[in-house]
Amino acid sequence: SQQGEEDPQALSIQEGENATMNCSYKTSINNLQWYRQNSGRGLVHLILIRSNEREKHSGRLRVTLDTSKKSSSLLITASRAADTASYFCATGYGNNRLAFGKGNQVVVIP
Amino acid sequence: EAGVAQSPRYKIIEKRQSVAFWCNPISGHATLYWYQQILGQGPKLLIQFQNNGVVDDSQLPKDRFSAERLKGVDSTLKIQPAKLEDSAVYLCASSPRAGDSYNEQFFGPGTRLTVL
Repeated sequence: SQQGEEDPQALSIQEGENATMNCSYKTSINNLQWYRQNSGRGLVHLILIRSNEREKHSGRLRVTLDTSKKSSSLLITASRAADTASYFCATGYGNNRLAFGKGNQVVVIP
Repeated sequence: EAGVAQSPRYKIIEKRQSVAFWCNPISGHATLYWYQQILGQGPKLLIQFQNNGVVDDSQLPKDRFSAERLKGVDSTLKIQPAKLEDSAVYLCASSPRAGDSYNEQFFGPGTRLTVL
């Protein structure tokens, strides 16, 4: 299957802690993207990492990609209540297509 | 910059009825997508347009779903007749460059469809 699978599926942390989510996939990819979805802002792109990259940073986000293990991780440092959302990994393939995983629900407790 | 617009935001219909959703992508974006997101799952691609041509509709249930993108801008997605399992949020997304495998996608707010 093209789609990613996130792990853990649900995560509850205290504000200020770090949150780590993992994603695994089964086929070859062009890139891997992470999206966030909450009721206020809908589905929003967070970060894209190309298949030839191993690590990427954006603000409080750090993404790693291991194509040999077909896995990626998303780290959110110093979490805030506003980070409460569902996080999806999406594998990019073909002509700019995305296959989304089932999502990872993160709750940040103030 | 205006985002992706969708309407209506909510729709409730009886099974076997028809329904249509409308999407206006970000101005100048070449590629437009329709996704179906069932509660508790990630979005599933239904159809991808590049300008006004269909690139991928392999996961579109063509016996009941249809979509068009007029003049390479707005798009409509139609379901006729609707089934209970069509209850979902229908998301429209657009991305700027055709033929580029490294585009992010910009999503609209979605239309929540409930089929009774």
